[in-house]
Amino acid sequence: AQSVAQPEDQVNVAEGNPLTVKCTYSVSGNPYLFWYVQYPNRGLQFLLKYITGDNLVKGSYGFEAEFNKSQTSFHLKKPSALVSDSALYFCAVRARGYSTLTFGKGTMLLVSP
Amino acid sequence: DTAVSQTPKYLVTQMGNDKSIKCEQNLGHDTMYWYKQDSKKFLKIMFSYNNKELIINETVPNRFSPKSPDKAHLNLHINSLELGDSAVYFCASSQASENTEAFFGQGTRLTVV
Repeated sequence: AQSVAQPEDQVNVAEGNPLTVKCTYSVSGNPYLFWYVQYPNRGLQFLLKYITGDNLVKGSYGFEAEFNKSQTSFHLKKPSALVSDSALYFCAVRARGYSTLTFGKGTMLLVSP
Repeated sequence: DTAVSQTPKYLVTQMGNDKSIKCEQNLGHDTMYWYKQDSKKFLKIMFSYNNKELIINETVPNRFSPKSPDKAHLNLHINSLELGDSAVYFCASSQASENTEAFFGQGTRLTVV
């Protein structure tokens, strides 16, 4: 079985400030972890993924995420938020040997000017 | 060039009708999926196909029937539509390898009245 928790329904941050969107996961064995972003009335866009190796993963639009095996977390971060980053963010996990992604419930990020 | 395209984008229909949603990908991927996003934005896998063969069929009513005429297409047919079927349906595709990201279509917003 595999599951993902995004504990925050919404994250508010001022433009220019750093942002963090939290994600924890539960799988048997080592996971593949993904972050996606969904803008209003659009499909999901891939941001970044962790497969193996370096715990800090860099992705699109200046986002990065840190894999922490001991805390089973994969938090999304950005050093300086933009208003245009406002969107719905999904964390997803796939256990090795499992066919599909399991998504978290999503976190709405609101960046104020 | 749209990588994963779904038609129609919006679909409004009456209870009891039968409708289809079409999906095509031009990425050369072997695996295609259907996801359902409910009103709370929760994403749930419905079906997964690999090279035209059904791999995953989650607990979806048998009124929903996917059809894959070739590996670039995965259509979703829904019989006897119910109010609770109202949602956004996303098609996605990926390479067969489990550490690859999925690419999503823009979604089909189905409203059953």
